Amino acid sequence: KQEVTQIPAALSVPEGENLVLNCSFTDSAIYNLQWFRQDPGKGLTSLLLIQSSQREQTSGRLNASLDKSSGRSTLYIAASQPGDSATYLCAVTGNFNKFYFGSGTKLNVKP
Amino acid sequence: DGGITQSPKYLFRKEGQNVTLSCEQNLNHDAMYWYRQDPGQGLRLIYYSQIVNDFQKGDIAEGYSVSREKKESFPLTVTSAQKNPTAFYLCASTLGAGRTEQYFGPGTRLTVT
Repeated sequence: KQEVTQIPAALSVPEGENLVLNCSFTDSAIYNLQWFRQDPGKGLTSLLLIQSSQREQTSGRLNASLDKSSGRSTLYIAASQPGDSATYLCAVTGNFNKFYFGSGTKLNVKP
Repeated sequence: DGGITQSPKYLFRKEGQNVTLSCEQNLNHDAMYWYRQDPGQGLRLIYYSQIVNDFQKGDIAEGYSVSREKKESFPLTVTSAQKNPTAFYLCASTLGAGRTEQYFGPGTRLTVT
């Protein structure tokens, strides 16, 4: 069964710092990987989707990479802002369009 | 605006009562999903449906039931058989047919006492 792990569980950084969030998965047979943001008590907002054939995707200050063979993805956030404070989750898509989620990294960006 | 709506936002029930959570989407998506989220944990799949009148159990289906009579709607019933129903419930959808970007609703927080 696919297992998705996110490290660290929590991260606190000063405003303006660049940071990297990590996501690892045990079964490399995935269709794609998606990064989400979740604010407290809210649903998930899609940030980036990387197809299995792609190596990275970029959106504004966010860059996500995928190394399928090693079972790893990173989300790079440039020039972090207090508004980036949230929980970030990654999910991989397996057979039968089933999704497997990590438990998330809770990010706090201090002004 | 296209999106997914879940109602109600907060729901309180007494132990032993069944309760139904609503999920509606106007994205014309084929596939819909129900997840449960507990504090500090990732999402766990309860049920999913790839097409109308068909659905499959996820990893934690015991104590839950669903129906998919219309493309737009995928209600979830939490039955009295669910041992620990207090949680945050999230509904999601994807276009289907290989298009797997998931879109989520705002969630329903269920508290059972």
